[in-house]
Amino acid sequence: DSGVTQTPKHLITATGQRVTLRCSPRSGDLSVYWYQQSLDQGLQFLIQYYNGEERAKGNILERFSAQQFPDLHSELNLSSLELGDSALYFCASSVGGHPTYNEQFFGPGTRLTVL
Amino acid sequence: GENVEQHPSTLSVQEGDSAVIKCTYSDSASNYFPWYKQELGKGPQLIIDIRSNVGEKKDQRIAVTLNKTAKHFSLHITETQPEDSAVYFCAAVRGNTPLVFGKGTRLSVIA
Repeated sequence: DSGVTQTPKHLITATGQRVTLRCSPRSGDLSVYWYQQSLDQGLQFLIQYYNGEERAKGNILERFSAQQFPDLHSELNLSSLELGDSALYFCASSVGGHPTYNEQFFGPGTRLTVL
Repeated sequence: GENVEQHPSTLSVQEGDSAVIKCTYSDSASNYFPWYKQELGKGPQLIIDIRSNVGEKKDQRIAVTLNKTAKHFSLHITETQPEDSAVYFCAAVRGNTPLVFGKGTRLSVIA
């Protein structure tokens, strides 16, 4: 168990809908990362927050947004969902905000299915 | 930006044999190379990493080698066991930029 929790574990929804994925980092970790894992694209970095502030952005679609709250948990909001958004979404956390010097601990993921 | 290629995509070995997974990267400024293991139904977990100032690192049955000139690095698992069966991901990063992952290798260890 990495200490990172993600809810829900599974999510099934329809095209055009909006969903929110939640992540609680390990105790003491200030940085949260979101990744999308699909069969053909592997693990793709979406966005990173550090102590409430956006630190880095990957190829995150404009339909997707995220935030980190004062208690350091984070939410990833996906809107106007398309079939191609079906994937595993992972949250990871680390103590510091520098990927080179801080090990990232991954949560168990949320499997999103868009029908 | 950085691009990481990983080979092979699938690998089957007999229990007790060695397994080697190779990755190449494009950005010569990348300086940190972690390897992750993802078991079924779980998130990736860091198993070993190497920095650009080191050529090789070993941890029990697992080792990683880095060739900066050729821009490739490899994961070596010796005396494989059934519990080594998983998907393995390599990644590369430079400075403060996000990790860039390879597409993964599914390793099956046949008892």
